[in-house]
Amino acid sequence: AQTVTQSQPEMSVQEAETVTLSCTYDTSENNYYLFWYKQPPSRQMILVIRQEAYKQQNATENRFSVNFQKAAKSFSLKISDSQLGDTAMYFCAFIHSGGSNYKLTFGKGTLLTVNP
Amino acid sequence: GAVVSQHPSRVICKSGTSVKIECRSLDFQATTMFWYRQFPKQSLMLMATSNEGSKATYEQGVEKDKFLINHASLTLSTLTVTSAHPEDSSFYICSAGARSNYGYTFGSGTRLTVV
Repeated sequence: AQTVTQSQPEMSVQEAETVTLSCTYDTSENNYYLFWYKQPPSRQMILVIRQEAYKQQNATENRFSVNFQKAAKSFSLKISDSQLGDTAMYFCAFIHSGGSNYKLTFGKGTLLTVNP
Repeated sequence: GAVVSQHPSRVICKSGTSVKIECRSLDFQATTMFWYRQFPKQSLMLMATSNEGSKATYEQGVEKDKFLINHASLTLSTLTVTSAHPEDSSFYICSAGARSNYGYTFGSGTRLTVV
């Protein structure tokens, strides 16, 4: 079974600074996708970024980028130029591509607070 | 982009009554829909997976008779909490997507309070 571990329950960062959220996962599969989802106080789940395991290049979406280390099974999220609107719960998630159940496995989340 | 509409956003019901939550994919056909439960400051807990036209697959520990899931069309799935009790109070979220790209979109969630 796959597991996703987020070792930082809470983090804080000053506005305009950079912060990195950690995520590690465990799987025996070779083909999979990794995701970071954001859940602001509204509780709407929003996809931040997605990485296909077969791609060596790290995914980037504007101020958000990942450091994907497949051998180490690590998938950290870097947020640059942090904004107050980035305050949210961030969940790392995994899905096995080609599997039969298509279920996302979530980490426990990291609560990020951006301070003015 | 893909939009999933979930209703109601908030519902308060009396203990012993049933509540139905709807999840609709507005601009795409969702072959699979997922229902989650989320407690405050915790992660999403998958309750069940529903596939259009077939019975839902429930996760271990989830009561099938209490949480009835129907996925009658490619755009609509419903979760009915039957004979609700205060311990069923929670935040329920659905997600839908096409298997082809694993691009799952989430509904905005339903806060259920059973009094």
